[in-house]
Amino acid sequence: ETGVTQSPTHLIKTRGQQVTLRCSSQSGHNTVSWYQQALGQGPQFIFQYYREEENGRGNFPPRFSGLQFPNYSSELNVNALELDDSALYLCASSLGGTQYFGPGTRLTVL
Amino acid sequence: EDKVVQSPLSLVVHEGDTVTLNCSYEVTNFRSLLWYKQEKKAPTFLFMLTSSGIEKKSGRLSSILDKKELFSILNITATQTGDSAIYLCAVDSTDSWGKFQFGAGTQVVVTP
Repeated sequence: ETGVTQSPTHLIKTRGQQVTLRCSSQSGHNTVSWYQQALGQGPQFIFQYYREEENGRGNFPPRFSGLQFPNYSSELNVNALELDDSALYLCASSLGGTQYFGPGTRLTVL
Repeated sequence: EDKVVQSPLSLVVHEGDTVTLNCSYEVTNFRSLLWYKQEKKAPTFLFMLTSSGIEKKSGRLSSILDKKELFSILNITATQTGDSAIYLCAVDSTDSWGKFQFGAGTQVVVTP
C-alpha cells in the first residue's frame, strides 16, 4: 500500500461526456503526476502538479486538464470524451525522485 | 525523441527458473531509471538506479544499470507464481524532472 488513493475505481461514460477523476496523495508528497495507460502499453505522462501549479505536460490535448488543492490532492478532468480515452488512469505522488502510484481508475468510453 | 524499449515483451517460465528482463533507453540528460511491478492496477516501486555498475538487490530481485551502453537489466531468481506480473521500466531526465517515460513493459508468467 502506497498511501495514494484514487476514486472512483471504475467508470463508464459515453462519447462527448465529461469526467472527473480524483487522487489523494501520500502524506507529505507535494507533487502529483497523472498517467494514462492503454491496454498493453506502458503509462503515458499526462501532466504534473507541484504546489498547485501545473509543472509540465505530456502530449495530450487541452481537453485534459487538472487541479491540485492545498492539501495536495488532485483532480483530472477530461472533456468531450472519445473512445480512445478508454484506459487506466494512474496518479502518482513523488518523494525523492521516486513516484508512488495509486490503484488507478479504469475508464471505459462507449 | 526520448525512447524506452523493453524486451522481451512477454515470457513464460517455470517456477524456480531465473528471468532476465532488459530495458534500453535513449534519453537526453538522463537522471534515473526505475523499475516497477504491475500485477493488477497500481505499479509498485522496485528499484531506482542512478549510478552505473552498482547492483541493487531486494530478496530474489536485483537490477543493474549501464550508463555507457544505455540499458538496465532486472533479474529474478528462483521465480515463484507470485512473480507473475508486468514489469515496467521508466526513465527520468533532468530536462523533464519527474515526467517519467515508460517502456511498454514485459509480461512475465510463472507456471507451477
